[in-house]
Amino acid sequence: DTAVSQTPKYLVTQMGNDKSIKCEQNLGHDTMYWYKQDSKKFLKIMFSYNNKELIINETVPNRFSPKSPDKAHLNLHINSLELGDSAVYFCASSQDAAYGYTFGSGTRLTVV
Amino acid sequence: TQLLEQSPQFLSIQEGENLTVYCNSSSVFSSLQWYRQEPGEGPVLLVTVVTGGEVKKLKRLTFQFGDARKDSSLHITAAQPGDTGLYLCAGGSSNTGKLIFGQGTTLQVKP
Repeated sequence: DTAVSQTPKYLVTQMGNDKSIKCEQNLGHDTMYWYKQDSKKFLKIMFSYNNKELIINETVPNRFSPKSPDKAHLNLHINSLELGDSAVYFCASSQDAAYGYTFGSGTRLTVV
Repeated sequence: TQLLEQSPQFLSIQEGENLTVYCNSSSVFSSLQWYRQEPGEGPVLLVTVVTGGEVKKLKRLTFQFGDARKDSSLHITAAQPGDTGLYLCAGGSSNTGKLIFGQGTTLQVKP
């Protein structure tokens, strides 16, 4: 029973398209996150939600819009995809960031 | 801006050797966490250290949090090929609610 699951695992799409990535956690955690991992493996936070409320919104283009219908789900919608959006996107959840996250297995987005 | 500098970035060693990975910052963190990431998977939490000077052991892995809570180290004794992976340190803050990650250390252990 996967704790943090995200879909799809792979996403290949053309520039200019709109796409969504879905994430669900069954750990009962209050906080969920989206991180972006670049080609050098550096992980950078994009957004976090606490019980459906947006808490962290880092410097991310407004083409990226997170949505949290309930505290177990956090989706990421990306409009007008650009080549530079190609990366691996990770969803994570935690009860307290100071004690650690549980990550999903990632979505590899390739924009061609 | 909080930053974590991890070193070395790449490490290739023979099975049975020892190694240490360092994670340094000028900022104080509530906790320091270590993750391991394998290809095609998300990072998996190995350990969290929260008290300055704290040492934790996980089989052949020893983790230490600096006294000032600004740095940490991961020491692996008698590395095995199964230890191969990307090791990430991350500083946690209950105040900001986010983790700041280091650049990662790619470890390759050759049989």
